[in-house]
Amino acid sequence: GNSVTQMEGPVTLSEEAFLTINCTYTATGYPSLFWYVQYPGEGLQLLLKATKADDKGSNKGFEATYRKETTSFHLEKGSVQVSDSAVYFCALRRDFNKFYFGSGTKLNVKP
Amino acid sequence: DVKVTQSSRYLVKRTGEKVFLECVQDMDHENMFWYRQDPGLGLRLIYFSYDVKMKEKGDIPEGYSVSREKKERFSLILESASTNQTSMYLCASSYDQPQHFGDGTRLSIL
Repeated sequence: GNSVTQMEGPVTLSEEAFLTINCTYTATGYPSLFWYVQYPGEGLQLLLKATKADDKGSNKGFEATYRKETTSFHLEKGSVQVSDSAVYFCALRRDFNKFYFGSGTKLNVKP
Repeated sequence: DVKVTQSSRYLVKRTGEKVFLECVQDMDHENMFWYRQDPGLGLRLIYFSYDVKMKEKGDIPEGYSVSREKKERFSLILESASTNQTSMYLCASSYDQPQHFGDGTRLSIL
């Protein structure tokens, strides 16, 4: 079947630290992969996406590379800010317009 | 920008009540979705609709039904609310990808 596994949180970092949030997936065929972010009290917003192997999605200093050989899509940012504190969800799209979401990773960034 | 509006941010109901959650999108999207979000479980798909009056079950449809009488509106119905349906409910819409989400309804069943 299709599923997404994310590292458990919360992840607590100091401002300007390097961020990695791990995401691995199980899927048949060639899914599209996404990272969404949810700020407190809000719905999910698309952060970045990649539609095929070796694609790199990037936005707002965040990056993730679609690695088919390791079935991974890890989220990285070189220098986090307090304003990046949120919950991050990895997701894949496989059939029709059906998405499979990970359980979410909460990021706390301290000044 | 796409706007997905959920009618209530917070809702408190009692067990056994019939509960309606409303969602409206303003971009003429074909597809609309209802998810519930629970700690440690992420988002789980309840129902989705790919056209007016069309609906498909998601992963956890038990205890829920939906209605899509107009393209812009997708309603989630809890036929007889139970305490295990206390959760955050998120509506989303899309044409192709990605999905656009509303801000969520936090529903408490007492």
